[in-house]
Amino acid sequence: EAGVVQSPRYKIIEKKQPVAFWCNPISGHNTLYWYLQNLGQGPELLIRYENEEAVDDSQLPKDRFSAERLKGVDSTLKIQPAELGDSAVYLCASSLKGRAGRSHEQFFGPGTRLTVL
Amino acid sequence: QKEVEQDPGPLSVPEGAIVSLNCTYSNSAFQYFMWYRQYSRKGPELLMYTYSSGNKEDGRFTAQVDKSSKYISLFIRDSQPSDSATYLCAVRKAAGNKLTFGGGTRVLVKP
Repeated sequence: EAGVVQSPRYKIIEKKQPVAFWCNPISGHNTLYWYLQNLGQGPELLIRYENEEAVDDSQLPKDRFSAERLKGVDSTLKIQPAELGDSAVYLCASSLKGRAGRSHEQFFGPGTRLTVL
Repeated sequence: QKEVEQDPGPLSVPEGAIVSLNCTYSNSAFQYFMWYRQYSRKGPELLMYTYSSGNKEDGRFTAQVDKSSKYISLFIRDSQPSDSATYLCAVRKAAGNKLTFGGGTRVLVKP
């Protein structure tokens, strides 16, 4: 079974340019997460989707970040315009919502490493 | 103060030694405790998952949770060079799916 797929794996852009990341979750997983991971830090949640609905976007900087999950499968995370401080790894994860609304294991993709010059 | 604290390391041990990792957390509402392993340029992968206080063993890995002191541990027995990675602890409340991660501890097992 294929894992979480992310593209591109690496992206280098100049500040003020737009950038987009794509994620394909594990087949059948209804919950999708975008995380930001700075060097030497743990992942921090940006947004969580259940099917097509963004149920937790409280940590997403909405002035420059946007995300969508059309049809409840693939998702795109966009930054416009990018700033130097956005250089980080952007991780996508997915999980299957289990009984009582809980899902225990999140499966992570390899991430997209963004460098803003 | 961060909700989950973890020593960043690096922790260097000889092959075959026991690796001891730990995290502390501040919110007693956290009920689920996880350890993830992350190799360089890869995403985290779940190693161990425990609910509330107690011990859980899986092969060479043992996870311990002490809710009274808000302290969680991971032990790796008979460590191998392939265990060299960053180990992240993560916690979650009873409701919702939000994981809060520690900063990770980098482990190096030398042959």
